[in-house]
Amino acid sequence: GENVEQHPSTLSVQEGDSAVIKCTYSDSASNYFPWYKQELGKRPQLIIDIRSNVGEKKDQRIAVTLNKTAKHFSLHITETQPEDSAVYFCAASKAAGNKLTFGGGTRVLVKP
Amino acid sequence: EPEVTQTPSHQVTQMGQEVILRCVPISNHLYFYWYRQILGQKVEFLVSFYNNEISEKSEIFDDQFSVERPDGSNFTLKIRSTKLEDSAMYFCASSRDRGPETQYFGPGTRLLVL
Repeated sequence: GENVEQHPSTLSVQEGDSAVIKCTYSDSASNYFPWYKQELGKRPQLIIDIRSNVGEKKDQRIAVTLNKTAKHFSLHITETQPEDSAVYFCAASKAAGNKLTFGGGTRVLVKP
Repeated sequence: EPEVTQTPSHQVTQMGQEVILRCVPISNHLYFYWYRQILGQKVEFLVSFYNNEISEKSEIFDDQFSVERPDGSNFTLKIRSTKLEDSAMYFCASSRDRGPETQYFGPGTRLLVL
C-alpha cells in the first residue's frame, strides 16, 4: 500500500522566515496531495491541496510543489507568523480509492 | 460554513466495554470516513463508507469495529470490546464525492480505555 514519509519531524523558525516541509510517497498511482494543519487538541484543517496535473499551487503565504517523477511534494510557508505554529500533515490519495494516507507530521514552532 | 460534528468530545471506558462514537457529516456529502490518531502519532485510516456499505477498510478495522448510518444524518463507529490500545483520538471525515476530493474532518472524540 501507499507509504508517505514526512520531514522534518520538528521545525523551529524565526518569525518572518520561511518554512519548508517535504513529503515523499511510494505509490505512483496517487494523484491528490492535501496538506492539513492541526492545532493542539483540534481537528486537522485543510490548508492547501494539489492534484497531479499541476506542479505548483499558491495561496497567499502558502505554496505547494509536486514532482511526480520523483514522487515528492513540499509545503512552503513564507513570512511565517506565530499563528502558523502547529503540526502540519501531508497526505496522499488515489483517484480510484479515496482514503488518505498521512505522513508522520511536522511540528512547526514560529518564534517571535 | 458547514462542519462535521462529533459526539462525545471525550469518552472514558473500561477495557472490554462497548463504545459508540457518533458523527454528523456535512449534509450534502456522500462519503464518510473514520480515522484515528494515537497520541503523538500520525493519523491512520480506519474505514470509508458509501451508499450504506463499507467501501474500504484498513487492517486496523477488525471484527471489533463496525460502522453504521442509522438515519439520514448520523454516522457511527462502534467498538465492541475495547482494548487499552484503542485509546486514541477518533476523527470522522466526509467528502462530497469519491476520488481526489477534499475530506473535511470533525473535531474528534478522545477515547481513553482504562
